[in-house]
Amino acid sequence: QVQLVESGGGVVQPGRSLRLSCAASGFTFSNYAMHWVRQAPGKGLEWVALISYDGSVTYYADSVKGRFTVSRDDSQNTLYLQMNGLRPEDTAVYFCAKERRGFYGEHWGQGTLVTVSS
Amino acid sequence: IQLTQSPSSLSASVGDRVTITCRASQGISSDLAWYQQKPGKAPKLLIYAASTLQSGVPSRFSGSGSGTDFTLTISSLQPEDFATYYCQQLNSYPPFTFGPGTKVDIK
Repeated sequence: QVQLVESGGGVVQPGRSLRLSCAASGFTFSNYAMHWVRQAPGKGLEWVALISYDGSVTYYADSVKGRFTVSRDDSQNTLYLQMNGLRPEDTAVYFCAKERRGFYGEHWGQGTLVTVSS
Repeated sequence: IQLTQSPSSLSASVGDRVTITCRASQGISSDLAWYQQKPGKAPKLLIYAASTLQSGVPSRFSGSGSGTDFTLTISSLQPEDFATYYCQQLNSYPPFTFGPGTKVDIK
């Protein structure tokens, strides 16, 4: 069965960096695009980034463009989100999601909490 | 593309028919998904391509619409359906915009 497990969250000071990981299993990772989606405490869902199945195309929300980088390592079945220049407004639970054809978020991880605070 | 949802919240009883509306600021064909999220949990895909039921989702859930106006209907609300529901557009990106959510709670 499909399993997605995020890790790497924690408490970080503003301006610092953090790298999130999403370990995938139960499917052919290299065949699917992957999303990062976040949810600030008590707020709705905000799409963050997408990487195509082969890594050749990436998209970002305006709120993170230039600061966050999505990447993938198909040999490790792992998705990454490198977050630089973190701001308090980046505080959220970050979810990774496997696409269903058409980029629909078919399977989701349990999320990892990132808190940006001094 | 902006998405609005109405209502933002509703109270309903078990067995009620519930309808949630999602409106896009411009036409998005049928490139719309509906998700259910319970507190502390990840979202769950219910409907994709506006009206296609995701595998394993109960048939009491249905979706309809195209262009700018979409609906999610729960034909007979069950206790496990109390949650927040989000629509998402996948037509014009980035971004893959989510709606603000509709919270369904117990009357």
